[in-house]
Order: sequence, then structure tokens, then C-alpha cells
Amino acid sequence: EDKVVQSPLSLVVHEGDTVTLNCSYEVTNFRSLLWYKQEKKAPTFLFMLTSSGIEKKSGRLSSILDKKELFSILNITATQTGDSAIYLCAIVTQGAQKLVFGQGTRLTINP
Amino acid sequence: GAGVSQTPSNKVTEKGKYVELRCDPISGHTALYWYRQSLGQGPEFLIYFQGTGAADDSGLPNDRFFAVRPEGSVSTLKIQRTERGDSAVYLCASSPIGGSGGELFFGEGSRLTVL
Repeated sequence: EDKVVQSPLSLVVHEGDTVTLNCSYEVTNFRSLLWYKQEKKAPTFLFMLTSSGIEKKSGRLSSILDKKELFSILNITATQTGDSAIYLCAIVTQGAQKLVFGQGTRLTINP
Repeated sequence: GAGVSQTPSNKVTEKGKYVELRCDPISGHTALYWYRQSLGQGPEFLIYFQGTGAADDSGLPNDRFFAVRPEGSVSTLKIQRTERGDSAVYLCASSPIGGSGGELFFGEGSRLTVL
């Protein structure tokens, strides 16, 4: 069964800190890995990763995939209170149409 | 509207009742997904439509759950004989094409509470 595990489950830091969120997976026939941010209800798309070692970057957020070790990290630098949210990692397998999500990491940024 | 619209946003019902949750996807999106999210968990896949047909319903937990998309646009998730364990946020998502492994656009969800 395809599996996605995120760590830590919860993280509290101060504004301005840098955080690293982890996502490991066990899947057959990997296709892509996606990161979403969920602030209240609707998850919003951050990144899609398909190739190892190629960093995706958007402002203070960046992510990279390691297909050999089967994990991805999401980095957030110079955190702001608006970064407080649940960060979800999901994978898609070849031939499947669905995203399989991890449990999420609840990130809290204190002023 | 510009985004995925779900109604109702909140539904409280009694155990044993029937409920319907509606999803209106982004115009032109052929792929539509239903997910269920319990407190403290990530979204759990229920069913995927490509056009009018259910291409993958492997996530429906049992035969009390059913979903339709008769005209390839709006979808309704139907739950019969609701149980307390059905309480969750039901999320709908759409994408321009299915099976691309790409971005899904999610609605705000319908929070179902079964008393």
C-alpha cells in the first residue's frame, strides 16, 4: 500500500526562524510529489516535484526531492505569522489518478 | 465563480439520516475528486470522476457512500444511514485534465457532523 509520512507532526517557532518540513514515502511506480498549504479549509498548491535534485523555489519557500532515498523537504526561510498553517505532502503514482496525502505538519509561527 | 464551490459549508445531522453534499468545479475542468479529512489527518481519497464517469471509486468506505456527476460538471456525494464516524470535512477538488499528476484545485469543504 502506498504510504506518505510527514514529520514533525507539529512545529512551533518564532517569526524569522527557518524551518524544514519532511516528507518520506513508500510507493510503487512513483510519478510526482506535491506540497500543499492548508490554512483553514481549502488546501492550496505550492509545488510539484518529479525529478530528483532539482529545487523548486517560490519566494521564501523551496522544496527538493530525493527519489533514491524516497523523501522530500520543504524549507521556509524568514518565517512570518502568515506561514502558520498545515503543510500537506502528497504523492501520485503512475497510472493512478489520485493524490495520497500524508498526515500533515501543523506549523505555528509565533510573533 | 472562479473557484471550486461546495455546499453546504456546514451540515449537522442525526445518526441514520441521509445527506447530500454538492460540488461545483471550476468551469471546464473535466476531472473531479472527493476527499474526506478527519481532524488531525490528511485528506483521504474517496472517488475520482473523469467527465461523467467514476474512473476510480476505490476510496469509498462502504456502500452507504455514493457519488454522481450526471452532466460532467456538478457532482453530488450522497451518504445514506449516516454514522457518527462519518463526521469529517468533505473536500472536493477539480483539475483541467485527470491523471496528469498535477495540481488539484480544492474547494472550502463541507463540514459534516453526525450526532
